[in-house]
Amino acid sequence: EAGVTQSPTHLIKTRGQQATLRCSPISGHTSVYWYQQALGLGLQFLLWYDEGEERNRGNFPPRFSGRQFPNYSSELNVNALELEDSALYLCASSLRTGHGVADTQYFGPGTRLTVL
Amino acid sequence: DQQVKQNSPSLSVQEGRISILNCDYTNSMFDYFLWYKKYPAEGPTFLISISSIKDKNEDGRFTVFLNKSAKHLSLHIVPSQPGDSAVYFCGGASWGKLQFGAGTQVVVTP
Repeated sequence: EAGVTQSPTHLIKTRGQQATLRCSPISGHTSVYWYQQALGLGLQFLLWYDEGEERNRGNFPPRFSGRQFPNYSSELNVNALELEDSALYLCASSLRTGHGVADTQYFGPGTRLTVL
Repeated sequence: DQQVKQNSPSLSVQEGRISILNCDYTNSMFDYFLWYKKYPAEGPTFLISISSIKDKNEDGRFTVFLNKSAKHLSLHIVPSQPGDSAVYFCGGASWGKLQFGAGTQVVVTP
């Protein structure tokens, strides 16, 4: 069974541009999560999508946004890129999460975003 | 707001011995805890989890212990193997939001 896939593997942008990162969840998973791992920092929760809706959001500015498509794949968009947005962006997926219950999240390999 | 803390940035252990990784948390709303292993330039790999209503979960060489009153969990790896050398993250989950500690670098020496 295929795991979580992400594209592209690497992305190089300049300050002020927009970046789009893509994620395909494990088949049968309806929830998709996005995390940022900046150099020297831990994994920071960005966004959670389930059934096409944004369910929860981490402490990131509005220029970090995304969406989930009917096939449960997801896109993360980062507008007005700043140098400190350079990081590894990880996507994870899980089965449907019930209220107050967390399901195990399985991670993809990540997209390395470099902002010059 | 660091709700999950791994106070040991690194741990060195001899092959065959026990590795004990510790994690403290402050958010009493966490209903699920997970441990992940991560190699450089790869996504985290799920290891083991524990529900907040349990105090122990075991899976092969990995055992996770949860002490809710102390808001503390630990991961035991017995016996440690060279392939266990990686960064280990503990995470607490609530309403889809998984918050990770900073990680502990484990090095298993021959």
